[in-house]
Amino acid sequence: GAGVSQSPSNKVTEKGKDVELRCDPISGHTALYWYRQSLGQGLEFLIYFQGNSAPDKSGLPSDRFSAERTGGSVSTLTIQRTQQEDSAVYLCASSKLGGGNQPQHFGDGTRLSIL
Amino acid sequence: GQSLEQPSEVTAVEGAIVQINCTYQTSGFYGLSWYQQHDGGAPTFLSYNALDGLEETGRFSSFLSRSDSYGYLLLQELQMKDSASYFCAVRDQDNQGGKLIFGQGTELSVKP
Repeated sequence: GAGVSQSPSNKVTEKGKDVELRCDPISGHTALYWYRQSLGQGLEFLIYFQGNSAPDKSGLPSDRFSAERTGGSVSTLTIQRTQQEDSAVYLCASSKLGGGNQPQHFGDGTRLSIL
Repeated sequence: GQSLEQPSEVTAVEGAIVQINCTYQTSGFYGLSWYQQHDGGAPTFLSYNALDGLEETGRFSSFLSRSDSYGYLLLQELQMKDSASYFCAVRDQDNQGGKLIFGQGTELSVKP
């Protein structure tokens, strides 16, 4: 079956512009996560959606970052007034619910470069 | 704060055995996972330990000691394709699903 799909795969934009990153999770997965990975670093949690519950936004680094998940499926991560330090790979993952042994399935990410 | 410590890089030869250690300090602990990431690729799930002991899946095994806040990933019969970054990750909340806190990753280089 299809995996997690992210678009665009690459995005280059100028400082100060807004960007939208899209994630299409695996069908039937009710949990969706956004992480950020800088070069040579681990994954930094950003936000987590679980079904119809309020999202866990505790990892968003500033109010320039926001995300929504419409219809319990596709999610969009928006970064407003981008800064150079926002340059990173943004990874989306989805999982079934049912405990910690449910693996997170990752997309290939969006590589964001801010000039 | 929350932190996971793992070696930044490990080198081994084809056919050998390598162990990647992970120590963690988190506000809660509800399981230790391991993920593999090849250069430029998506992380992929390898294993999960919620209870103390060893979990074996083919050439890969993972161990957990909750009293020591410590775990490791053991890779046996190393192959060139095992060259990748390996991340340990802790689930720190007791709910279904929930975010993972990742270590900085261990880059494994397998030499012929």
